[in-house]
Amino acid sequence: EDQVTQSPEALRLQEGESSSLNCSYTVSGLRGLFWYRQDPGKGPEFLFTLYSAGEEKEKERLKATLTKKESFLHITAPKPEDSATYLCAVRFAYSGGGADGLTFGKGTHLIIQP
Amino acid sequence: DSGVTQTPKHLITATGQRVTLRCSPRSGDLSVYWYQQSLDQGLQFLIHYYNGEERAKGNILERFSAQQFPDLHSELNLSSLELGDSALYFCASSVGTAAYEQYFGPGTRLTVT
Repeated sequence: EDQVTQSPEALRLQEGESSSLNCSYTVSGLRGLFWYRQDPGKGPEFLFTLYSAGEEKEKERLKATLTKKESFLHITAPKPEDSATYLCAVRFAYSGGGADGLTFGKGTHLIIQP
Repeated sequence: DSGVTQTPKHLITATGQRVTLRCSPRSGDLSVYWYQQSLDQGLQFLIHYYNGEERAKGNILERFSAQQFPDLHSELNLSSLELGDSALYFCASSVGTAAYEQYFGPGTRLTVT
């Protein structure tokens, strides 16, 4: 069972057409939710970290929000250069009490057409 | 540029061989994480080292191993390579071991023929 689910898998928008990407998670004990942007053949680029429900972060045309079971990445008036795959990742507390790697969703492939 | 460096950028090798991937974390970061990205599995966490010590293991095969050296660079060793090991391998680093953001390197593309 997937612990992190992103939707939609792909999204095509016109330049200037705002939308939202969703990331839902099913495991309790969240120790951080992270959004990354990945361009083809490159490493994920860090965008935001959210730690608690109600928290919001903004950067240029992007705004990330967090509830108890999901996060949204809102894209306002996107431009073609915003085209990329957006990855959501979570870090869970585990019984060992220490750190763990990130659990990633499969991403949303976003295309912004001029 | 995240400040994390990885070498080599590309690697082509044959089945059954062994390769070593290298990663240098951002200046000041003590944690190094290794991830594998394939088309069908997405990004999968392999292993985490903090200041030279192994801290956590994810979906890492027994044929794979890693270490972090005193200068904090890390190496991922992949042996008895199979066709299915072809993937992008990323290294990421962070300041500590708690819920800090991880910064990813550019990756090594491994092709096993």
